[in-house]
Amino acid sequence: QVQLVESGGRLVRPGGSLRLSCEASGFMFRDHYMSWVRQAPGKGLEWIAYIRGSGDNTHYADSVRGRFTISRDNTKKSLFLQMNSLRAEDTAVYYCARVSILAAGPMDVWGKGTTVTVSS
Amino acid sequence: DVVMTQSPDSLAVSLGERATINCKSSQSVSHSSNNVNYLAWYQQKPGQPPKLLIFWASTRESGVPDRFSGSGSGTDFTLTISNLQAEDVAVYYCQQYYYNLWTFGQGTKVEIK
Repeated sequence: QVQLVESGGRLVRPGGSLRLSCEASGFMFRDHYMSWVRQAPGKGLEWIAYIRGSGDNTHYADSVRGRFTISRDNTKKSLFLQMNSLRAEDTAVYYCARVSILAAGPMDVWGKGTTVTVSS
Repeated sequence: DVVMTQSPDSLAVSLGERATINCKSSQSVSHSSNNVNYLAWYQQKPGQPPKLLIFWASTRESGVPDRFSGSGSGTDFTLTISNLQAEDVAVYYCQQYYYNLWTFGQGTKVEIK
């Protein structure tokens, strides 16, 4: 079945780095834009980045641009988020999401999320 | 960035009644050439990831009950839940995808009165 499974979340010190992964299954991964969305504790959803299927086009929210990098490996059906210079405000559940092939924007499949905690 | 503002922040509706959630964008999210609206709605239940309900402002995702409907254009959009069921208790978010930097509304919590 169509599935996304995130991994890599953990406790990290401010200023540290972390790499999140998302493994996809059950669909043609390379055909879809993919995205990362985060949710701070008790807060709403925040879109942070997306990447085209070919991997040659990316966009970032202002809050993470220059610190985070989204990438993908279509041969391994995997999406990544490299997070550098982490701050306390980056503490959140990070969701990997597939972008609908019908409309490049709505996210129609979501993983369960991985938790990143930035604290000293 | 385009700011999406939802109202109200929360509402309580009786079972079987209608819930109406509004979403206003700071800039138009409609394509001028074809009036297509780049607006989606999601439902998030506690402890779960979001679920896509509606895209293109009014197109229901496959499997979504027809009591969920979306409307609006330009900068003003509405999600209507007719005949509210207990399983509809959740937080609802709108999202624009017209601009390269996507943005969500702050969310509207729907509860049973």
